[in-house]
Amino acid sequence: EAGVAQSPRYKIIEKRQSVAFWCNPISGHATLYWYQQILGQGPKLLIQFQNNGVVDDSQLPKDRFSAERLKGVDSTLKIQPAKLEDSAVYLCASRLQGPGQGYTFGSGTRLTVV
Amino acid sequence: QKEVEQNSGPLSVPEGAIASLNCTYSDRVSQSFFWYRQYSGKSPELIMSIYSNGDKEDGRFTAQLNKASQYVSLLIRDSQPSDSATYLCAVNLGERDDKIIFGKGTRLHILP
Repeated sequence: EAGVAQSPRYKIIEKRQSVAFWCNPISGHATLYWYQQILGQGPKLLIQFQNNGVVDDSQLPKDRFSAERLKGVDSTLKIQPAKLEDSAVYLCASRLQGPGQGYTFGSGTRLTVV
Repeated sequence: QKEVEQNSGPLSVPEGAIASLNCTYSDRVSQSFFWYRQYSGKSPELIMSIYSNGDKEDGRFTAQLNKASQYVSLLIRDSQPSDSATYLCAVNLGERDDKIIFGKGTRLHILP
């Protein structure tokens, strides 16, 4: 079974620039999540999709972050404009439906904003 | 604000000893509990899940759950240097089966 694919692995941008991350979940996983993990912290949920609909985006800074999941498969997360405090690893995860299922994470994108 | 609390460590354990990692959570309704291992520069990897009070064993790993005390722990027997990593405790949010929140993680260092 192929894992959760993410790209790019690393990105360095200047503040106020824009950036986009891509995620392809495990086939058949209807639920997709984007997490932000700042160094030394646990992952923090940004947005959750069920198929192509948003289930929870309560912690997404909507003035600068946006995400979409067209056709219920791939997803992109965008930041525009980036701030220094957005420097973090952005993790995509997917999950099978059903009680007690854990997440499978992708390898993440490490973003550095300078 | 629902929370998952962990001691950030580092926790240093001699090779071959038992490493004990602890976690408390604030939401009494939570039903699913997970332990993830995260090596430096890597993404979290699920190593244990537990849903019922008591112990659950998988190889050298044992997860322990006490819902009355809102406490979950992970024991690693015969610790190896390869167990050196950050261990993240995660708990489902309330009655929502599809959303979990993470603690900040405990850094474990196995001393050769």
